[in-house]
Amino acid sequence: DSGVTQTPKHLITATGQRVTLRCSPRSGDLSVYWYQQSLDQGLQFLIQYYNGEERAKGNILERFSAQQFPDLHSELNLSSLELGDSALYFCASSNSGEVGYEQYFGPGTRLTVT
Amino acid sequence: AQSVTQPDIHITVSEGASLELRCNYSYGATPYLFWYVQSPGQGLQLLLKYFSGDTLVQGIKGFEAEFKRSQSSFNLRKPSVHWSDAAEYFCAVGARGGSYIPTFGRGTSLIVHP
Repeated sequence: DSGVTQTPKHLITATGQRVTLRCSPRSGDLSVYWYQQSLDQGLQFLIQYYNGEERAKGNILERFSAQQFPDLHSELNLSSLELGDSALYFCASSNSGEVGYEQYFGPGTRLTVT
Repeated sequence: AQSVTQPDIHITVSEGASLELRCNYSYGATPYLFWYVQSPGQGLQLLLKYFSGDTLVQGIKGFEAEFKRSQSSFNLRKPSVHWSDAAEYFCAVGARGGSYIPTFGRGTSLIVHP
């Protein structure tokens, strides 16, 4: 158990819908990362937040957005969902947003878009 | 920009046999290097990491990896594989300086025969 929690574990929804994935980092960790894992793209970095502020952006679509709240939990919002958005979405946290700090991954949310 | 290649999609070994998983990276300087393991239905767990110093790095679960600058490689090894080692293994590279966003390889699936 990494100490990172993600809800829900599974999500099935239809195309065009909007969903929210939630992540609670390890106690004391200020940095949260979101990743998308799919068979064809592998593990892709989406976005990083550090202490409530966006720190880095990766291959995140404009239909996706995220935020980190004052209690440090984070939410990833996915809208206008397409079949290709079906994937595992991981959240990871670390003690720092700087180079070299280990990331702890949550168990993931499996999103299926039908 | 950094990149990482894991040339083997699948590796099959017998229990008790030795293991080597290959990882090659591309980066202009010495990067930060990581190996993660993902068991079915789980998030990624850090096995070991290389930052500087001794090029032979020891990790958890009996794994080790060796950084070879001349070959731009960071191969993962284990002298005797256990059935519980069956999982997906990811090599990751991170750039030095500034915010740390790793680039992950596509992963190598390890199958262990009894």
